[in-house]
Amino acid sequence: QSALTQPASVSGSPGQSITISCTGTSSDVGSYNLVSWYQQHPGKAPKLMIYEGSKRPSGVSNRFSGSKSGNTASLTISGLQAEDEADYYCCSYAGSSILFGGGTKLTVL
Amino acid sequence: EVQLVESGGGLVQPGGSLRLSCAASGFTFSSYWMSWVRQAPGKGLEWVANIKQDGSEKYYVDSVKGRFTISRDNAKNSLYLQMNSLRAEDTAVYYCARLSAGYMDVWGKGTTVTVSS
Repeated sequence: QSALTQPASVSGSPGQSITISCTGTSSDVGSYNLVSWYQQHPGKAPKLMIYEGSKRPSGVSNRFSGSKSGNTASLTISGLQAEDEADYYCCSYAGSSILFGGGTKLTVL
Repeated sequence: EVQLVESGGGLVQPGGSLRLSCAASGFTFSSYWMSWVRQAPGKGLEWVANIKQDGSEKYYVDSVKGRFTISRDNAKNSLYLQMNSLRAEDTAVYYCARLSAGYMDVWGKGTTVTVSS
């Protein structure tokens, strides 16, 4: 039950695009199309942003997109806005357990 | 409105016990798997436990196996987490979440558990 691997931090300027990677193994990310991504602002509960690798829940901006290749999933945020500054966590179903990444702090410069 | 509200957190001594509750509303509680997720101060999210719709299947992260028990009462639309033999490393905000096909689409605001003497 090892955590998924994410970069600790990423940054970008308003209007730019950034990508956050999430690396797992063939037992979790690579085995299931069940990667999800969560946004968390300080002191708040996490919010679902992407599910099943690339699907957006109703109400989530289309600036957020997800993809997967092999054991690595990615979250891309285009047209960065100040309100996107937050922590982002990837998550994968892994059979009888669920794994989260360590989290990535996004700074909008 | 779909909502999850946690309660039961507090300060407890190492080795002590605590029972967390999560009240669900706005959806058919008995139709969903449910989860507990925790976040230690300044740290990332950690999945703790899942329970099937009828309570017949339960899964736990290794670090809480044998100490924590997840349960539910569908008649009361409530989820529970019984935490025994608490350790300092169990100090965290505990979130209740609705599990839909491998992802958590509804989250509560969390309840804080502090294990300290």
